[in-house]
Amino acid sequence: GESVGLHLPTLSVQEGDNSIINCAYSNSASDYFIWYKQESGKGPQFIIDIRSNMDKRQGQRVTVLLNKTVKHLSLQIAATQPGDSAVYFCAESAPSGGSYIPTFGRGTSLIVHP
Amino acid sequence: SQTIHQWPATLVQPVGSPLSLECTVEGTSNPNLYWYRQAAGRGLQLLFYSIGIDQISSEVPQNLSASRPQDRQFILSSKKLLLSDSGFYLCAWSWPPGGYTFGSGTRLTVV
Repeated sequence: GESVGLHLPTLSVQEGDNSIINCAYSNSASDYFIWYKQESGKGPQFIIDIRSNMDKRQGQRVTVLLNKTVKHLSLQIAATQPGDSAVYFCAESAPSGGSYIPTFGRGTSLIVHP
Repeated sequence: SQTIHQWPATLVQPVGSPLSLECTVEGTSNPNLYWYRQAAGRGLQLLFYSIGIDQISSEVPQNLSASRPQDRQFILSSKKLLLSDSGFYLCAWSWPPGGYTFGSGTRLTVV
């Protein structure tokens, strides 16, 4: 899967605020979802994942919410810090012929102001 | 633990010159390997993927090719670079049930 096209939406927050980044996915057969963080000039880094049999999963300062009814995924970052500034994108994976090829969202640029 | 190495980190090449980007994975065998390109401010575009040695699938017809001479080695090449080949190239390997681990990326500028 691939995601190309328009420039990225941007979310600007103040340091200490909570951030919510949203993602709409397209395939109702997708059963595994990941949020990635990509800092400028670096490869994407795994943040948190969730399987379709769950609707919420928490990590350290991050929470992922999954709403399968409306095919919506969100990433919540608590007490956002300047180091959280990056592009965040979601990925959905559906089984296909014994393998998985994920589809990546367009990404959201998070800017944290000190 | 599994690690993925990608090099070089940056590359400036003249138009018409050849290209070779290398990616290696450690700590796993027979991984599915991928090459993505990411234009500035844009999403990921899948270029090639490989499910095994010498098994390459191309997603986008273009000036690039890929090879997998060894189980854990994936190479992205071009015989003659174009200006439009500039971008950020990412290698990745996948793990069940559909997660990816990405390399650190190569910033290619064709001048």
